[in-house]
Amino acid sequence: KAGVTQTPRYLIKTRGQQVTLSCSPISGHRSVSWYQQTPGQGLQFLFEYFSETQRNKGNFPGRFSGRQFSNSRSEMNVSTLELGDSALYLCASTDLTGGSGYTFGSGTRLTVV
Amino acid sequence: DQQVKQNSPSLSVQEGRISILNCDYTNSMFDYFLWYKKYPAEGPTFLISISSIKDKNEDGRFTVFLNKSAKHLSLHIVPSQPGDSAVYFCAASAKNAGNMLTFGGGTRLMVKP
Repeated sequence: KAGVTQTPRYLIKTRGQQVTLSCSPISGHRSVSWYQQTPGQGLQFLFEYFSETQRNKGNFPGRFSGRQFSNSRSEMNVSTLELGDSALYLCASTDLTGGSGYTFGSGTRLTVV
Repeated sequence: DQQVKQNSPSLSVQEGRISILNCDYTNSMFDYFLWYKKYPAEGPTFLISISSIKDKNEDGRFTVFLNKSAKHLSLHIVPSQPGDSAVYFCAASAKNAGNMLTFGGGTRLMVKP
């Protein structure tokens, strides 16, 4: 079966701009989570969507937002980009609870200049 | 405040020997623990997990040990192979937290032929 697909793979944006990242989960997976990976902070949880509803949210400013569509595809948006937003953004999907069934995508590498 | 810590940023072992990766946590609400492996330019891949009701779980060459009183878990790889060279993350989830995972900072394992 197809894995978790994230687009685009690489992105370069300027400070102050906004960006939208996309994630297509594994077919049948209704839970989609987003994580930010940076060299200094490791992987940090952004938010989780389940059946189009945000179920959990991490400790990130309101500039980070997301949504999930009826086909379980998810997008995350970052507005007013800052240099510190440069990171690898990972999406993961599962149809189970507890994280054991997480399948991660390859990520979107965002560079803010 | 890091709730999950991997104090060794890197580890180097000889092929055929045992690799031991360690992880400490502080949150008593964590009841499920996981290990993920990550290669460059790929998303993390689930390796093995353990519930807080167990103290050991084994899957082939991989064994995870959990010491709840010390809030410590470890991953043993025996025998280590060059293909095991990757970054290993431990992660934890809490009951009623959906699929939110808290990750450690990762340990880079290098297995020398």
